Amino acid sequence: SQQGEEDPQALSIQEGENATMNCSYKTSINNLQWYRQNSGRGLVHLILIRSNEREKHSGRLRVTLDTSKKSSSLLITASRAADTASYFCATVGGTASKLTFGTGTRLQVTL
Amino acid sequence: SAVISQKPSRDICQRGTSLTIQCQVDSQVTMMFWYRQQPGQSLTLIATANQGSEATYESGFVIDKFPISRPNLTFSTLTVSNMSPEDSSIYLCSVASGPSTGGYTFGSGTRLTVV
Repeated sequence: SQQGEEDPQALSIQEGENATMNCSYKTSINNLQWYRQNSGRGLVHLILIRSNEREKHSGRLRVTLDTSKKSSSLLITASRAADTASYFCATVGGTASKLTFGTGTRLQVTL
Repeated sequence: SAVISQKPSRDICQRGTSLTIQCQVDSQVTMMFWYRQQPGQSLTLIATANQGSEATYESGFVIDKFPISRPNLTFSTLTVSNMSPEDSSIYLCSVASGPSTGGYTFGSGTRLTVV
């Protein structure tokens, strides 16, 4: 079963604009991760934020985590056409090592 | 981080038949994970495969339908048995990438169509 919801389900922006995706989850977590999937292929790990962290940066990516609201956001700045993909949040919780995925956001970046 | 070779990349199969998907990892890993991604949907964990023990299946998935082998620390197979069109999905394997990132590495996926 899915851990939570992502919104928006789909997002279309122009190159150079920023893209923000939100993720909500249901249970307590050890960490939350974001992945990108191009054209239904394998997933690529983007960034991980631990439950005791509030914000993390990696290149053009900025992730925030609010454990009190059980939510996270992914910001992609200065988007490029190559950022067109589906983005998934995934949580790891308890003693299990497995990932539980959100519903995903389809991002379309146009020239 | 680990590199995974997954095959086949895609297949079209007749209903009632079985397909075995293979994942080869370039390093030894304790756990391998198998996911299903139905068309337009997110990923759902099928099972966790540990070397030398039975796989642990998630709710809604059973060993008779999705038998898994894990003969060593670098290899695993997932079989989709007695297929029906509802089994048409992308199947992916995954392993932990290691402590440097804390993330997971995924195979490139097997796109299965059952006709």
